[in-house]
Amino acid sequence: GAVVSQHPSWVICKSGTSVKIECRSLDFQATTMFWYRQFPKQSLMLMATSNEGSKATYEQGVEKDKFLINHASLTLSTLTVTSAHPEDSSFYICSASRPGSGANVLTFGAGSRLTVL
Amino acid sequence: GQNIDQPTEMTATEGAIVQINCTYQTSGFNGLFWYQQHAGEAPTFLSYNVLDGLEEKGRFSSFLSRSKGYSYLLLKELQMKDSASYLCAVKDSNYQLIWGAGTKLIIKP
Repeated sequence: GAVVSQHPSWVICKSGTSVKIECRSLDFQATTMFWYRQFPKQSLMLMATSNEGSKATYEQGVEKDKFLINHASLTLSTLTVTSAHPEDSSFYICSASRPGSGANVLTFGAGSRLTVL
Repeated sequence: GQNIDQPTEMTATEGAIVQINCTYQTSGFNGLFWYQQHAGEAPTFLSYNVLDGLEEKGRFSSFLSRSKGYSYLLLKELQMKDSASYLCAVKDSNYQLIWGAGTKLIIKP
């Protein structure tokens, strides 16, 4: 149990366009999901915490108007990278806490590799 | 500030044992996690320690000393598929996860 599905797994877009990444909890309800970004050979950087039915909480330095997060249901959170630029190219990973894990173990989606030309 | 330190890279031989260390300085402590991440893939959960001592799970064991701000992940009977990055993460007083940069483990035949 506790499967998180992320789509698309990779995407290439032109500079200035917007890209939407979906994160779904397949077999459990996730009131909270987390969005991370990971640059090559670096650790995970938390971008924002997505809360179902309310506004996301963004980490310092993350532009909320550029990285739009919507968590409209208990099983779906979306991250939209607006007006993407080459420096936004990265590996974006979503996660949710595995219910009943006690330690709130995070289950991660497979990640989405974004390349902005 | 908050900090998690792990070696950047380690090399070990197939069939051998390797220990990956992690030291941390965080504002409070609410548990330490180890995750495995293969190149280009998402992390997968390996272990969780909140009390001092050793947690064993098959070929993998994780140790914690809260007084020393120290943990290690021990991998036994190494297999080629164990080649991956191993991430140490600590949950601080606000229950926020602080991630280490990861240790890239290279297994040689």
